[in-house]
Amino acid sequence: QSALSQPASVSGSPGQSITVSCTGSSSDIGLYNYVSWYQQHPGRAPKLLIYDVVNRPSGVSNRFSGSKSGNTASLTISGLQAEDEAAYYCSSYSGSATLYVFGSGTEVTVL
Amino acid sequence: EVQLVQSGAEVKKPGESLRISCKASGYDFTNNWITWVRQMPGKGLEWVARIDPSDSYTNYSPSFRGRVTISADKSISTAHLQWSSLKASDTALYYCARLSWPSKVRIDSWGQGTLVTVSS
Repeated sequence: QSALSQPASVSGSPGQSITVSCTGSSSDIGLYNYVSWYQQHPGRAPKLLIYDVVNRPSGVSNRFSGSKSGNTASLTISGLQAEDEAAYYCSSYSGSATLYVFGSGTEVTVL
Repeated sequence: EVQLVQSGAEVKKPGESLRISCKASGYDFTNNWITWVRQMPGKGLEWVARIDPSDSYTNYSPSFRGRVTISADKSISTAHLQWSSLKASDTALYYCARLSWPSKVRIDSWGQGTLVTVSS
């Protein structure tokens, strides 16, 4: 069982906005502003999309944005495109012995 | 360009030993900690262990401590993950990855993954 909880799937039509939630605890998301989001296409390695809750690495589209409130982080994809169809994982640095915790993953489907 | 190139897929029998590798290039290997992440078939990501290549200081997830050994050889910019006695439950895709510098709070680059299959 993953330490962080994500919905199994989220879907939307092209051009729409969708939000993927990630719920943790006061030992990880609630304690640190070190939430990251990764995109994983089938058969590929994950790719860093968002770090430190709200920051995008160079080269990542500004259609991806992150936020946090309490123990829950969120990833919003605006202007949904077919290429956004992938699995999305959240991750947080943790104050527990398991230093890095991940979510169970959310499959995003573009209808 | 940062690259982490992992060794190829492995098929082993229960009880056998195994070492998989991850060769880094495009940056100073001793600047960033290396970590390993497991992805079991159809499942999510799990943190395994991390190592500081500059002095080989390590940390393990409680779930994996005693089951695997992480190591690094800075002379050839390569990290390893090894098992002394594999179990069927070790079947998974294993990613090596680079932790951010200097904070070490996130993964910023990933290898392509090494599929380990353990079956009698």
